Amino acid sequence: GAGVSQSPSNKVTEKGKDVELRCDPISGHTALYWYRQSLGQGLEFLIYFQGNSAPDKSGLPSDRFSAERTGGSVSTLTIQRTQQEDSAVYLCASSLSTPGGANVLTFGAGSRLTVL
Amino acid sequence: GENVEQHPSTLSVQEGDSAVIKCTYSDSASNYFPWYKQELGKGPQLIIDIRSNVGEKKDQRIAVTLNKTAKHFSLHITETQPEDSAVYFCAASRAYKYIFGTGTRLKVLA
Repeated sequence: GAGVSQSPSNKVTEKGKDVELRCDPISGHTALYWYRQSLGQGLEFLIYFQGNSAPDKSGLPSDRFSAERTGGSVSTLTIQRTQQEDSAVYLCASSLSTPGGANVLTFGAGSRLTVL
Repeated sequence: GENVEQHPSTLSVQEGDSAVIKCTYSDSASNYFPWYKQELGKGPQLIIDIRSNVGEKKDQRIAVTLNKTAKHFSLHITETQPEDSAVYFCAASRAYKYIFGTGTRLKVLA
């Protein structure tokens, strides 16, 4: 697609429920990232995919958080047993992967999660 | 660990004035420095970037400078307009790793 697409754009859930957030990156982008942005805060790194593998998942805050990527394209971030502190905007970004780095990240519009 | 400090956290300027946002990074191996603009309800959008082999880059009203020795880089916006009002994030990158600053909320007063 022309840009990074995320769904849903807004999700309201009750504490304890599971949620899935979806990211559809730019076609041909092999690198995919998930970030979390709490209200008025910066971007907190969660996980990085290269193709279907996740060489860096060091930012996932707890074992309630997991992510997968299939076919080198769509990624799903799953949060189990949601807590109120999980409320945030979850941003997905993708990029080409070039030797030496300096890869331009393109972000999606984000999925706003509210846990009641 | 690596971090990026960004200042100021908020900045108000009169329309037509210049705005400067400064960032300092800790990882000397960083070689790519993008700046993102985030408008309300939207994802961050790249506005300008600079690589470590360049000291300055300009694109119309926006310029970025990089001092590798001091590990500083700055965003300069001239002739500010109301539509420049947004949150701006700097980042320092090495390979796949991006470290973002905490953001600057810029308000351009008409």
